[in-house]
Amino acid sequence: AQRVTQPEKLLSVFKGAPVELKCNYSYSGSPELFWYVQYSRQRLQLLLRHISRESIKGFTADLNKGETSFHLKKPFAQEEDSAMYYCALAGAGGYQKVTFGTGTKLQVIP
Amino acid sequence: DVKVTQSSRYLVKRTGEKVFLECVQDMDHENMFWYRQDPGLGLRLIYFSYDVKMKEKGDIPEGYSVSREKKERFSLILESASTNQTSMYLCASSPSRGSAEAFFGQGTRLTVV
Repeated sequence: AQRVTQPEKLLSVFKGAPVELKCNYSYSGSPELFWYVQYSRQRLQLLLRHISRESIKGFTADLNKGETSFHLKKPFAQEEDSAMYYCALAGAGGYQKVTFGTGTKLQVIP
Repeated sequence: DVKVTQSSRYLVKRTGEKVFLECVQDMDHENMFWYRQDPGLGLRLIYFSYDVKMKEKGDIPEGYSVSREKKERFSLILESASTNQTSMYLCASSPSRGSAEAFFGQGTRLTVV
């Protein structure tokens, strides 16, 4: 079975402070991990994926297989980062079920 | 620009009605998904399909069924709507090869009264 855990429902930080949104997963094989973001009144969209190892809007995430974690980080939070963030996992194979965590609401205080 | 389109943005239905939620994608994706999104519960997978006429139960399939007669269309059916099915429903699609990035529709807010 595959599972994604996001322990924080709400994370409030001040503008300019560092951000870390936690994500842990459970999967028996080699999964593909993602972070999705949903801004107010917009559709859910991909923020980044572990295989591309890129930084999007200043966010990065590193897959730690030993700790089965994929935490999302940004050194300096901006007000426009306020949104709902979901960690997601896709299993390997020809068809890939995508499992989401419960989400963390990031609130950046001006 | 890739597109996943859900037929309705808002729906209000009565308890016991049969409800159809439609989703169309134009990316030739093999995989399609239906989720419901509830505060504090995140996205929970109802059903997914990896090919025409193929379907798999997700984590919360009770009270729902699906239909995939064409590759681009995936329908969610509530056979007899109940108030606890009031929710935001999200459709998504993804390719079966390469990255499994999921593309989402705009969502359908269903209220059952």
